[in-house]
Order: sequence, then structure tokens, then C-alpha cells
Amino acid sequence: AQSVTQLGSHVSVSEGALVLLRCNYSSSVPPYLFWYVQYPNQGLQLLLKYTSAATLVKGINGFEAEFKKSETSFHLTKPSAHMSDAAEYFCAVRRSSNTGKLIFGQGTTLQVKP
Amino acid sequence: EAGVAQSPRYKIIEKRQSVAFWCNPISGHATLYWYQQILGQGPKLLIQFQNNGVVDDSQLPKDRFSAERLKGVDSTLKIQPAKLEDSAVYLCASSLVTGNTGANVLTFGAGSRLTVL
Repeated sequence: AQSVTQLGSHVSVSEGALVLLRCNYSSSVPPYLFWYVQYPNQGLQLLLKYTSAATLVKGINGFEAEFKKSETSFHLTKPSAHMSDAAEYFCAVRRSSNTGKLIFGQGTTLQVKP
Repeated sequence: EAGVAQSPRYKIIEKRQSVAFWCNPISGHATLYWYQQILGQGPKLLIQFQNNGVVDDSQLPKDRFSAERLKGVDSTLKIQPAKLEDSAVYLCASSLVTGNTGANVLTFGAGSRLTVL
């Protein structure tokens, strides 16, 4: 069964530093993978998605993620953190079924220090 | 395009009371989802509708939770009676395309935060 594991429930970086949020997936078939961001008191917003077209996926707000099959990873990165990036980030995998159920990781809270 | 609308945004009730949440998806989106997000956890799918039919309710606690989407547009999620552990944010989402495809992208509403005392 498909699942995702996000390593680190809290990540703290300084403004301008590299952001790296880790996600590993478990899937017996090539998966569809997603990163969502959730700002306080808001719903989830799609950052980017992997659909097998390209292993390096660029998303909104300067974020990107690289699909590495050999490592079963889909880590999210951003070269330079901004204060506005402070939020909770969720990695998700689509279950390979007719319903296409989306399964989320536990989430990683990103703190950006001035 | 208007987003996914949810109401109420916040609700506080005593345990054993009932509560209902409403969701209006993006126009034209046939698939509607209700997720439960407990503090510190990722969202968990409660129920998925395709038009007005249920396609997945395997994780819905059917002894106390119910949901309907009678006309295939807006939906209501009800909890009766509520328990302390039902305190969570209830997220509604919709998608234009369904199934295991990269085109199936969920758009989420802002959520309804429930506190059960």
C-alpha cells in the first residue's frame, strides 16, 4: 500500500538559507506525488506535483522537488527562505486505485528566523 | 474562479451534541472529498463522492458520522453525537478529474475547525 513519511516534524532555517523538507514514499508502482502548503487557519494549497513527466519539478513560490526512484524520495527544496514561507508542508502520494485516494504524510512545520 | 466554500469556519460544542458542516465545491467539479485533520497530523480522508454517489467511505466512523451530497453539488458532513476525539479541522476538497491520474488535483477549502468540550 502506498504511504509517505516526512522526516522531521519541525524544521527551522534562517531567512535566506536553503530550505530542505524531506519526504520518502512507499509504493509498488510509479507514484503520483504532491507537496501541499498550509498557512495558519487556511486550507491546503498545491505547491507542485510529480506525474512522471520530469524528475525535477518546479512549483510555485520558488519551490522545487526532485523525484529519486533509487532513494524513494521526493524532497522539497528552496534555495533561499523567505519569512513568508513559514507554514506547514505536507507530502502526499496518490493511491493507485480507481478512486485515486490521496494519502498525506504527518506534515513538517517550517520556521523561518530573521 | 471561486474556490471551495466551507461553513462554519469555527464551531465549539459540548460532547454528545451534534454538528453539521457545509461545503460548496468549485463549479463543475464532480468529485468532492471530506478530510479530517487532527492537530499535528496530516489530513485523513473520511469520504469521497463522485457526483452524488459515495466511492470511498472506508474510514468514516459510520456510527456517528454521516455525509450526503444529494444533488451532486454541495455537501453536508454531520457528527452525532460528538466525542472529544472529534476535535479537528474538517477540510472539504474538490477535483475536476478523478482516479489515479496526474491530472487529478484537489483544491481545498479553508476548513471548519471543531472543538468538542
